[in-house]
Amino acid sequence: EVQLVESGGGLVQPGGSLRLSCAVSGFTVGSTYMSWVRQAPGKGLEWVSVIYSGGSTFYADAVKGRFTISRDTSQNTLFLQMNSLRAEDTAFYYCARHKPKAALDIWGQGTMVTVSS
Amino acid sequence: EIVLTQSPATLSLSPGERATLSCGASQSVSSSYLAWYQQKPGLAPRLLIYDASSRATGIPDRFSGSGSGTDFTLTISRLEPEDSAVYYCQQYGSSRWTFGQGTKVEIK
Repeated sequence: EVQLVESGGGLVQPGGSLRLSCAVSGFTVGSTYMSWVRQAPGKGLEWVSVIYSGGSTFYADAVKGRFTISRDTSQNTLFLQMNSLRAEDTAFYYCARHKPKAALDIWGQGTMVTVSS
Repeated sequence: EIVLTQSPATLSLSPGERATLSCGASQSVSSSYLAWYQQKPGLAPRLLIYDASSRATGIPDRFSGSGSGTDFTLTISRLEPEDSAVYYCQQYGSSRWTFGQGTKVEIK
């Protein structure tokens, strides 16, 4: 079964760091584009970052220089390292698989990140 | 960055009625790079339409997508109570993905 399961969310102080994980099953994490998408409470969807099958990475302007997307094919897992966190980073974070480039056909259940003192 | 604007913000219709949701782009979008999603409260988004008009796996045929260039439409031909949700359009371009702000569909 194709499935994505996020973990690693929680409460962190402004300026702190957090690492999100997305465990992939049913396909290989390196075989397709994978993205992180976030949703602030009561708000819409915001694309955060993508890693291409070839390894290239891209980021939304709001997180560039602070967040790093990566993957580990031996663990079949996608990661999002989030540094210098701000209150405006508070959101549900979803990992998603691309079909094959533009649309996101498989989503995880999400993990909540709260940045607050 | 291409900005997507969805209208209306909220749509309130009765079961069996037709819903027409619009998505306008600030620049031309390739039809291959336009998708629609449904999101119900507390759940992750679900892909409905990709390549502007292709239904994703398991999506009922009452959902259809159309359009090109800067104007795209999601149509729900006969509303069912379970179609109550927020619907988002999304585009890809220049290694960036953007979403519209969403249209909330309420079933009377």
